Amino acid sequence: GQQLNQSPQSMFIQEGEDVSMNCTSSSIFNTWLWYKQDPGEGPVLLIALYKAGELTSNGRLTAQFGITRKDSFLNISASIPSDVGIYFCAGQNYGGSQGNLIFGKGTKLSVKP
Amino acid sequence: EAGVAQSPRYKIIEKRQSVAFWCNPISGHATLYWYQQILGQGPKLLIQFQNNGVVDDSQLPKDRFSAERLKGVDSTLKIQPAKLEDSAVYLCASSFSQGSLGGYTFGSGTRLTVV
Repeated sequence: GQQLNQSPQSMFIQEGEDVSMNCTSSSIFNTWLWYKQDPGEGPVLLIALYKAGELTSNGRLTAQFGITRKDSFLNISASIPSDVGIYFCAGQNYGGSQGNLIFGKGTKLSVKP
Repeated sequence: EAGVAQSPRYKIIEKRQSVAFWCNPISGHATLYWYQQILGQGPKLLIQFQNNGVVDDSQLPKDRFSAERLKGVDSTLKIQPAKLEDSAVYLCASSFSQGSLGGYTFGSGTRLTVV
């Protein structure tokens, strides 16, 4: 089945630093999504990317859909303590059961004030 | 709008016991999903419903897991009998339609511990 490789597994950074994480796949996706999960909560959608090459921002977050459709990255600028959590990439294809999300294993972000 | 509701939030059971989880999706969302999230992993799909019909249950361990969505709204997921490796967070999610682009809305999950 499809698998996503997400890196790094964890990051420990200083407040104010920029963060970058990425996700690669063995097969193509039509949509790439980035989620954040706080302890004891379900994943919350941060950014959705629908087109190869697309670059999308949401506040301090920027994500790109790789032109090969097999990868994506997420950048967080000027990190703050509330950015702490686990970030997941997810791939999705169109329609039917292919609409299911395939998740990476997550990047755990810790921010030191 | 109200989010996806799940209960209970936590459950501890002994192996070989049975357990059931409940999910109430966002009003009007036809598609409902159950995901299993083992500690340190991303969520993995167990079953997908479109209204009250099953679209995909290929990754559901059917010898012990069952799920239903009888009236196309609420859903229950059952495990009987539970094994130690079933310890995980069980997440319910819903979307407006089958294969909706842009992901879904997740509930807060039920954390199951099997001892």
